[in-house]
Amino acid sequence: GIQVEQSPPDLILQEGANSTLRCNFSDSVNNLQWFHQNPWGQLINLFYIPSGTKQNGRLSATTVATERYSLLYISSSQTTDSGVYFCAVVGGNEKLTFGTGTRLTIIP
Amino acid sequence: EPEVTQTPSHQVTQMGQEVILRCVPISNHLYFYWYRQILGQKVEFLVSFYNNEISEKSEIFDDQFSVERPDGSNFTLKIRSTKLEDSAMYFCASSPGDQPQHFGDGTRLSIL
Repeated sequence: GIQVEQSPPDLILQEGANSTLRCNFSDSVNNLQWFHQNPWGQLINLFYIPSGTKQNGRLSATTVATERYSLLYISSSQTTDSGVYFCAVVGGNEKLTFGTGTRLTIIP
Repeated sequence: EPEVTQTPSHQVTQMGQEVILRCVPISNHLYFYWYRQILGQKVEFLVSFYNNEISEKSEIFDDQFSVERPDGSNFTLKIRSTKLEDSAMYFCASSPGDQPQHFGDGTRLSIL
């Protein structure tokens, strides 16, 4: 099946810093989603981005489908951005395959 | 904005007991899913459901698991005889088709 790798596994930043999270996938995809898992365990849908670039406030994402990667950018980090960020893809079937996540910690 | 709702938010059950996790998908969605996340690990696919039947299932989804859409709104996951290793967060998701999957807030299942 399709493999999804995320980097870095852990990231610790000062409040106000910018960050870039990466997601590599092993095959062509029909769907790519970025999620933020908050401390209560909820999966918050950030972006649906099988290709191209999208922006939502301080967050933006870019997927280059031909090169099989996606990037999530977080600017001017806040402590509420802390949590685990997951990339998940749909290959030739319907199921989402998740990466192992990036744990982001924002220090005040 | 419509949401996927899951109940209960937390379920504590004795090993060997049956448990039913409930989900109400978004009303015009056609595809339904269950995923699970063992503490500290990534989210794993269990099963997908379309047109009143299972369309795909993972190796995790063995004979102790079953899914049902008993009426036009609910989608349930039953675990027949729970084991300690079934302790996890279980997420329900739905989608209209070739679109993002929308996730519920999850049910935290604790097996004692």
